[in-house]
Amino acid sequence: GAGVSQSPRYKVTKRGQDVALRCDPISGHVSLYWYRQALGQGPEFLTYFNYEAQQDKSGLPNDRFSAERPEGSISTLTIQRTEQRDSAMYRCASSLEASRGDEQYFGPGTRLTVT
Amino acid sequence: AQSVSQHNHHVILSEAASLELGCNYSYGGTVNLFWYVQYPGQHLQLLLKYFSGDPLVKGIKGFEAEFIKSKFSFNLRKPSVQWSDTAEYFCAVNEGKTDKLIFGTGTRLQVFP
Repeated sequence: GAGVSQSPRYKVTKRGQDVALRCDPISGHVSLYWYRQALGQGPEFLTYFNYEAQQDKSGLPNDRFSAERPEGSISTLTIQRTEQRDSAMYRCASSLEASRGDEQYFGPGTRLTVT
Repeated sequence: AQSVSQHNHHVILSEAASLELGCNYSYGGTVNLFWYVQYPGQHLQLLLKYFSGDPLVKGIKGFEAEFIKSKFSFNLRKPSVQWSDTAEYFCAVNEGKTDKLIFGTGTRLQVFP
């Protein structure tokens, strides 16, 4: 079946612009996660949802970052007034059940470059 | 805060050599431990995981990892690597009562024929 998809795959934007990154999880998966990965680093947790409820947003770096999952399926990560330090790979993952330790399936990521 | 350390940033091996990648975590409670792999041009995918029970866990493609609680370690091993094992390997741990994963910085493995 279809895996996790993310769009766009690549995004180049100018400093100060807003961007919206989309994640379409595996159908039926309850939990959805957003991670950010800088070059040479491991993925860093940003936020996650069970169904439409945002369970933990402790990893969002500041209030320019927000995420939503209004119908419990597709999620959007929005970065307002982008800065160069926001350049990174943004990864989305989903898991079947809202239970600790369930396998997370990752999408291909969105490479964001802020110029 | 919980953290994961991967000691080897870049490992270069010849085919048939044995592999061991180190992973240590800092958390005193019950943990779930994972190894993820990213092959060139592909997504992150699960290699193996430890929840409980037998501390020696076997994963896909001949990989295994051993959980040693006293050492806070979860090292990844493979007796004989292949060129197709060239990839980046990430160790990860669940934190506390949430499902979020804390990842190490990754180890880049290059296997030459």
